[in-house]
Amino acid sequence: DIQMTQSPSSLSASIGDSVTITCRASQSISSHLNWYQQKGGKAPKVLIYGASSLEGGVSSRFSGSGSGTDFTLTIFSLQPEDFATYYCQQSYSTPITFGQGTRLEIK
Amino acid sequence: QITLKESGPTLVKPTQTLTLTCTFSGFSLSTSGVGVGWIRQPPGKALEWLGIIYWDDEERYSSSLQSRLTITKDTSKNQVVLSMTNMDPVDTASYYCVYRQGGVRGDTNWFDPWGQGILVTVSS
Repeated sequence: DIQMTQSPSSLSASIGDSVTITCRASQSISSHLNWYQQKGGKAPKVLIYGASSLEGGVSSRFSGSGSGTDFTLTIFSLQPEDFATYYCQQSYSTPITFGQGTRLEIK
Repeated sequence: QITLKESGPTLVKPTQTLTLTCTFSGFSLSTSGVGVGWIRQPPGKALEWLGIIYWDDEERYSSSLQSRLTITKDTSKNQVVLSMTNMDPVDTASYYCVYRQGGVRGDTNWFDPWGQGILVTVSS
């Protein structure tokens, strides 16, 4: 199975800050990397697919990059609605695997 | 508009078999490239992919759970069913069904939308 390692596991930031979350795959997954946001016990929502493509309706303050084994999700100018948990997920091969999540909290 | 909704028991006893149904609309599971998957999340923990069924009846499962899982589809009813045998308290989780966006296998793909989820508690 491909292991996905996210860092950090938690992060505190202020409104207006920019933050970066990283995700590393245990082997190359090309650009088959997706990012999800989960708020308050609700179902996750996709933000970025294919490593860098922004899902329709998602704010342009979210940006994804990377290929191979190393990926990043950057959130610019944090807004109150951005404080949530973020997960990366590889779709390169089954079994599909997720990172352990990054909890973004307000400082 | 694609929607999915999970249904089934919210409480099961240890050793029992869990059967959850995902009822969907807005697509057909007989269309090439389409897949419906299951993902779970124990309270306060990370997401865990369970498995997926594709338009051509191929099934794929989690390595650690595959001996306990079966996913089937009923195209005429627009339903996908997850069965998990020998339930244990550690299987307590919210279970989500998800629509696989993207092309045929090998293409970029992702899960969207997700059902609302159903919280299943395993307890005697």
